[in-house]
Amino acid sequence: EAGVVQSPRYKIIEKKQPVAFWCNPISGHNTLYWYLQNLGQGPELLIRYENEEAVDDSQLPKDRFSAERLKGVDSTLKIQPAELGDSAVYLCASSDGQGGDIQYFGAGTRLSVL
Amino acid sequence: AQKVTQAQTEISVVEKEDVTLDCVYETRDTTYYLFWYKQPPSGELVFLIRRNSFDEQNEISGRYSWNFQKSTSSFNFTITASQVVDSAVYFCALSVRNYGQNFVFGPGTRLSVLP
Repeated sequence: EAGVVQSPRYKIIEKKQPVAFWCNPISGHNTLYWYLQNLGQGPELLIRYENEEAVDDSQLPKDRFSAERLKGVDSTLKIQPAELGDSAVYLCASSDGQGGDIQYFGAGTRLSVL
Repeated sequence: AQKVTQAQTEISVVEKEDVTLDCVYETRDTTYYLFWYKQPPSGELVFLIRRNSFDEQNEISGRYSWNFQKSTSSFNFTITASQVVDSAVYFCALSVRNYGQNFVFGPGTRLSVLP
């Protein structure tokens, strides 16, 4: 069974440019998460989807970040415009939505903003 | 509020030594789950174990064992006879039912196993 797939693995952009990350969750997982991981820290939740609905986006900086999960499968996270402080690893995870469910993570996208 | 503390930032051991990674959590909820994840240099977080708040039975899986103690709010992880492949960052995480099942991660402990 395929795991969570993220692309690209690495992205280097200049500040003020837009950038997008893509995530394909494990088949059948209705819950999808986007996390931000700064160097030397644990992941921090940005947004959580239950199917197509964003049920928790309280930590998403909505002035520059946006996300979508059309058809409740793949998801895209966008930053526009990117700032130097956005340099980090962006992780996607999915779960089957059961209580205390295990989250399965992708390999992440490492973003460098110059 | 929910919080996870991993006081050990970095640990170095020599291969075949035993090593224990500490995790202390905070929550007022009575129903919660605790997790350990491993993050090797490749970057992907790999699930290791989940425990719920009603099951304090300790667990052993091969060279891994976990000690869950509600009285001290701790969920420690021990690797017996460590190997170089165990080198990674290990994260403890807390999931609380009344917090939408969102994970709160600790800051991680970087384990280096030297040959």
